[in-house]
Amino acid sequence: KQEVTQIPAALSVPEGENLVLNCSFTDSAIYNLQWFRQDPGKGLTSLLLIQSSQREQTSGRLNASLDKSSGRSTLYIAASQPGDSATYLCAVGLTGTYKYIFGTGTRLKVLA
Amino acid sequence: SAVISQKPSRDICQRGTSLTIQCQVDSQVTMMFWYRQQPGQSLTLIATANQGSEATYESGFVIDKFPISRPNLTFSTLTVSNMSPEDSSIYLCSVASGRNEQFFGPGTRLTVL
Repeated sequence: KQEVTQIPAALSVPEGENLVLNCSFTDSAIYNLQWFRQDPGKGLTSLLLIQSSQREQTSGRLNASLDKSSGRSTLYIAASQPGDSATYLCAVGLTGTYKYIFGTGTRLKVLA
Repeated sequence: SAVISQKPSRDICQRGTSLTIQCQVDSQVTMMFWYRQQPGQSLTLIATANQGSEATYESGFVIDKFPISRPNLTFSTLTVSNMSPEDSSIYLCSVASGRNEQFFGPGTRLTVL
């Protein structure tokens, strides 16, 4: 059974810092991995999608990497801003289905 | 990407009643998904809804409690039946693109008293 864990659970950093959020999964037979952002009480916004054949994806200040063999993905946020404050969720797409298993989330606070 | 709307955005309900949540997509999609996010928790898949067939429920979720309709390729409803305070959650619908990228609606925040 696929399990997805995110570390740390919460993170508080000063504005301008570069930071790394971690996501680990127990079964390397994944279809893809997606990173989301969720603001309090809101829905999810898709940030980056990495297919199982890819190693990384970049969008603006965000870079996500995928290492299937070790069951890990990282989300790198460069030059963090207070507007980046949110909960970040990773979700693993299961092979052969359209189902996603979600991680526990990292609650990020960027201080001005 | 798909644009997804949900109604209502939030509701406060009495225990024992039912609430139907609507999900509308701006394009035709084969599969729609319903998730629950309990307070302080991550998302849990309730069921997958395909047009023209019965929804497929995940372990721990049953049709009598969470009946789902999928009358066409742009619309779905989820009903939360005979509600109890434990049903207080955010309910989210999502769709998958051709490359299995998931897009989510804004969610429905349900409080059961």
